[in-house]
Amino acid sequence: GIQVEQSPPDLILQEGANSTLRCNFSDSVNNLQWFHQNPWGQLINLFYIPSGTKQNGRLSATTVATERYSLLYISSSQTTDSGVYFCAVAGAGGTSYGKLTFGQGTILTVHP
Amino acid sequence: DSGVTQTPKHLITATGQRVTLRCSPRSGDLSVYWYQQSLDQGLQFLIQYYNGEERAKGNILERFSAQQFPDLHSELNLSSLELGDSALYFCASSAHIGGNTGELFFGEGSRLTVL
Repeated sequence: GIQVEQSPPDLILQEGANSTLRCNFSDSVNNLQWFHQNPWGQLINLFYIPSGTKQNGRLSATTVATERYSLLYISSSQTTDSGVYFCAVAGAGGTSYGKLTFGQGTILTVHP
Repeated sequence: DSGVTQTPKHLITATGQRVTLRCSPRSGDLSVYWYQQSLDQGLQFLIQYYNGEERAKGNILERFSAQQFPDLHSELNLSSLELGDSALYFCASSAHIGGNTGELFFGEGSRLTVL
């Protein structure tokens, strides 16, 4: 099945700093999503971005499908940004169709 | 609020018991997915239903079963529970239009503790 690799595994920032999280995937995809899992365990949708670039406030994401990677940018980080960031993809066909495969996540800690 | 409702939020039970987790998808969504999140395995896909029919299967144990009812809600049944089944179980739904699953929206999860 499709493989998803996220980096870095851990990231510690001071409030106000910027960061870039990366997601590499091993095959063509028709779905790519970024999630934030907060300390209460909720999975919050950040972006649905199988290709292209999107922005939402301090967050933006870019997926380069032909090169099989996606980037999540967090600017002017806040303590509430802390948590785990997951990238998840669904392959474009075959046995991968429909199901999202999650990466192992990036644990982000933002200190005041 | 994602619009996906899961009950119960927390469940504590003993080994060997059986539990049922319930999920109501977002209004209009035809696809329902179940995921398990454990500390050692991360987020794992279990099973997908589309409009009442099983569509895809992941690493779901034979002790686990699921179904989607005509009103599109879904239930995940876990039987002969073991300590290792303790995990956070998520349900997600998507509109699944035109052959593409579209964006998945996740419920808040059901935290199962097996003692």
